[in-house]
Amino acid sequence: GDSVTQMEGPVTLSEEAFLTINCTYTATGYPSLFWYVQYPGEGLQLLLKATKADDKGSNKGFEATYRKETTSFHLEKGSVQVSDSAVYFCALPNTDKLIFGTGTRLQVFP
Amino acid sequence: NAGVMQNPRHLVRRRGQEARLRCSPMKGHSHVYWYRQLPEEGLKFMVYLQKENIIDESGMPKERFSAEFPKEGPSILRIQQVVRGDSAAYFCASSPRGYNEQFFGPGTRLTVL
Repeated sequence: GDSVTQMEGPVTLSEEAFLTINCTYTATGYPSLFWYVQYPGEGLQLLLKATKADDKGSNKGFEATYRKETTSFHLEKGSVQVSDSAVYFCALPNTDKLIFGTGTRLQVFP
Repeated sequence: NAGVMQNPRHLVRRRGQEARLRCSPMKGHSHVYWYRQLPEEGLKFMVYLQKENIIDESGMPKERFSAEFPKEGPSILRIQQVVRGDSAAYFCASSPRGYNEQFFGPGTRLTVL
């Protein structure tokens, strides 16, 4: 069945470092792909999305490109901030539900 | 436009009690989804409802758990005779017309003593 695999965390970075969080998927067809972010004690917020192959989603300095050749949707940011510390989830829709990866915790230190 | 609202935000129950979690979807959204997040894990789908109908409950435990979304009022996730393993964060999401993008509430954190 459909699934999402994320790199395990935590990812620990210094402020202004480059960030990559890997996400690969298994799915029938070419579903939309999402990145959600969960700040401490809060619910999930949609960070960015891509609806078809080769699309690039972007928001708040984060980017992810939908690569159907490698079935990947890696999240990147050129210069992280302390305020980016959160848990990041990759997700894809499967009929009426979202399938989430296990989440990757990012910790950014000054 | 208010977002998805959930209450209570925190709920403490003793083993054997009942827990009722409420979710009010965003205005104009008629599709509601419930997910459970166990500690240090991702979110797992539980149930998908439209007004007065359960569309998909494939992720719901077979016993003690039920959900409804009445014509009037919020969606309710009900857990009877709670056990310690039910301790988790329960998130509600809503969407318009079954569109894939779902908007999440802040969650209810259930602790079973």
